[in-house]
Amino acid sequence: KQEVTQIPAALSVPEGENLVLNCSFTDSAIYNLQWFRQDPGKGLTSLLLIQSSQREQTSGRLNASLDKSSGRSTLYIAASQPGDSATYLCAHGSGNTGKLIFGQGTTLQVKP
Amino acid sequence: NAGVTQTPKFQVLKTGQSMTLQCAQDMNHEYMSWYRQDPGMGLRLIHYSVGAGITDQGEVPNGYNVSRSTTEDFPLRLLSAAPSQTSVYFCASSYTAGGRTNEKLFFGSGTQLSVL
Repeated sequence: KQEVTQIPAALSVPEGENLVLNCSFTDSAIYNLQWFRQDPGKGLTSLLLIQSSQREQTSGRLNASLDKSSGRSTLYIAASQPGDSATYLCAHGSGNTGKLIFGQGTTLQVKP
Repeated sequence: NAGVTQTPKFQVLKTGQSMTLQCAQDMNHEYMSWYRQDPGMGLRLIHYSVGAGITDQGEVPNGYNVSRSTTEDFPLRLLSAAPSQTSVYFCASSYTAGGRTNEKLFFGSGTQLSVL
């Protein structure tokens, strides 16, 4: 069974700290990996998408890496801000259905 | 830019009632899908469509029907609501099948459904 695991489940940091969110997956033949942000009561917003042939993607203060051989991805957030507080989910593409396999998410709180 | 629009945002049903969750996108996306999000279970795919007139089952399709008569709309029908269908439902779309190609998936804001 394909699984995606995110550790830690919750994280609280002071403003300004650099942090890393972890995502591990069991399927070594993934098509791509996406990182999403979900605010309470809202839908998901795609932050970064890494193609299977790529090693990393960057957008502003966010950097996501992908290591297919070890089944891991990380989301690095630089100089965290209270506005970064949200749940972050990773997901990878699977098969021909377009289905994404999601992790349970890491809930991040950045304290002022 | 409207993106993916879901209605209603909240709904309470009694067991056995039927209803339709609406989803519309204005980005000319070929691929549309429905997920449900449950605590401890994450997001699971219910049904998906790769284009008008084409639908298929996802991971948890039982109790739900879909149709895709236009590119823009992808309604989800609950045939006879059960308490186990209490969940938050998300519609998502992309230009092509997001899981197979390198397309970002765009989500609606969700429908919170309670079945009593």
